[in-house]
Amino acid sequence: KAGVTQTPRYLIKTRGQQVTLSCSPISGHRSVSWYQQTPGQGLQFLFEYFSETQRNKGNFPGRFSGRQFSNSRSEMNVSTLELGDSALYLCASTRTGSREQFFGPGTRLTVL
Amino acid sequence: AQTVTQSQPEMSVQEAETVTLSCTYDTSENNYYLFWYKQPPSRQMILVIRQEAYKQQNATENRFSVNFQKAAKSFSLKISDSQLGDTAMYFCAFMPGAQKLVFGQGTRLTINP
Repeated sequence: KAGVTQTPRYLIKTRGQQVTLSCSPISGHRSVSWYQQTPGQGLQFLFEYFSETQRNKGNFPGRFSGRQFSNSRSEMNVSTLELGDSALYLCASTRTGSREQFFGPGTRLTVL
Repeated sequence: AQTVTQSQPEMSVQEAETVTLSCTYDTSENNYYLFWYKQPPSRQMILVIRQEAYKQQNATENRFSVNFQKAAKSFSLKISDSQLGDTAMYFCAFMPGAQKLVFGQGTRLTINP
């Protein structure tokens, strides 16, 4: 079974731009969670989607948003990028009824 | 607030030795899950072991085992017969009722040949 895939793997943007990151979960997994990893703040939960609905949300500003499609693929969007948004963005998928989250390789976003 | 604390920022041991990584957490919930994840230099997060709070028996996965002390809110990871491939950042994580992981700051573990 293929693992969680994330595209693109690397991204460079400038301040003020917006960006969309994509995550394809493991086949059959319907829950997708997103995390931001930075050296200063560590790993922080952004949001979780299940069956196209946002089920949980972390403490991030409204510039961070996401969505999930009927095939369980998920996207997250960051608008009006700031230097502090530079981070590794990780997504994880979970099988229904399980608590184990399986992570993708991440998208490294650099904001200049 | 639910928090996870890993008090050892860095650890270093010789190959084949046993090493224990510490983790404490704070929560008022009674039912939750605990995990240890490993993040090697490739940055891929890999699940090492999980523990359900309602289970008294400590989880074991091959060379990896945990010491779960619910009353003390402690969840340490023991790696036996350490190998060079165990070199990585190790994160302790807590999951309350919601599908959301709260991570500690991590312990950088180096296995020396």
